[in-house]
Amino acid sequence: NAGVTQTPKFRVLKTGQSMTLLCAQDMNHEYMYWYRQDPGMGLRLIHYSVGEGTTAKGEVPDGYNVSRLKKQNFLLGLESAAPSQTSVYFCASSSGQENEKLFFGSGTQLSVL
Amino acid sequence: AQSVAQPEDQVNVAEGNPLTVKCTYSVSGNPYLFWYVQYPNRGLQFLLKYITGDNLVKGSYGFEAEFNKSQTSFHLKKPSALVSDSALYFCAVRDRSGGSYIPTFGRGTSLIVHP
Repeated sequence: NAGVTQTPKFRVLKTGQSMTLLCAQDMNHEYMYWYRQDPGMGLRLIHYSVGEGTTAKGEVPDGYNVSRLKKQNFLLGLESAAPSQTSVYFCASSSGQENEKLFFGSGTQLSVL
Repeated sequence: AQSVAQPEDQVNVAEGNPLTVKCTYSVSGNPYLFWYVQYPNRGLQFLLKYITGDNLVKGSYGFEAEFNKSQTSFHLKKPSALVSDSALYFCAVRDRSGGSYIPTFGRGTSLIVHP
């Protein structure tokens, strides 16, 4: 049981390049989330999904797009990367029950030069 | 609206001493409260949660947390700290009366346990 798997683990981009981060979960969870973690800022929610085919904006959605075509996968896209998007990105999933915990992936370290 | 505050960026404690990591919250209704731990270069891991009932919640690795409704706090505690407890700790809250099941996280507290 792998839980939540993120790929890639590390990536370096040049300003203006695009990329997609992949998150996969094998727990049949309804909810999936993308967070970014920056020093002194804690975890900030980028986008989330409450089920297959649905997405919603979080706290800091600008510059990112997401898709949830399959229940187990949640993709985060950067169409034109900016240095301000240098961060550690975490995907998480949960069952959707109101008191249930989140399960996190191990993170993607992204540097935009 | 829901929010959570972790007033200390860093907590230093000697190994063997008790530790406390503070968390206060704000919700319009009643809260669900969570603590997560993040070890270096890892994702967050669930430690414990408060749903209802007993105000003292026990979790993984010997940690516990005390829910105090009058002070709107949910401080994380451990009677005897270990060097291996050194990590980043996050408190999270979800308002039971809210329509969304999205938790709000604090900024995190770095716990450093000195040998």
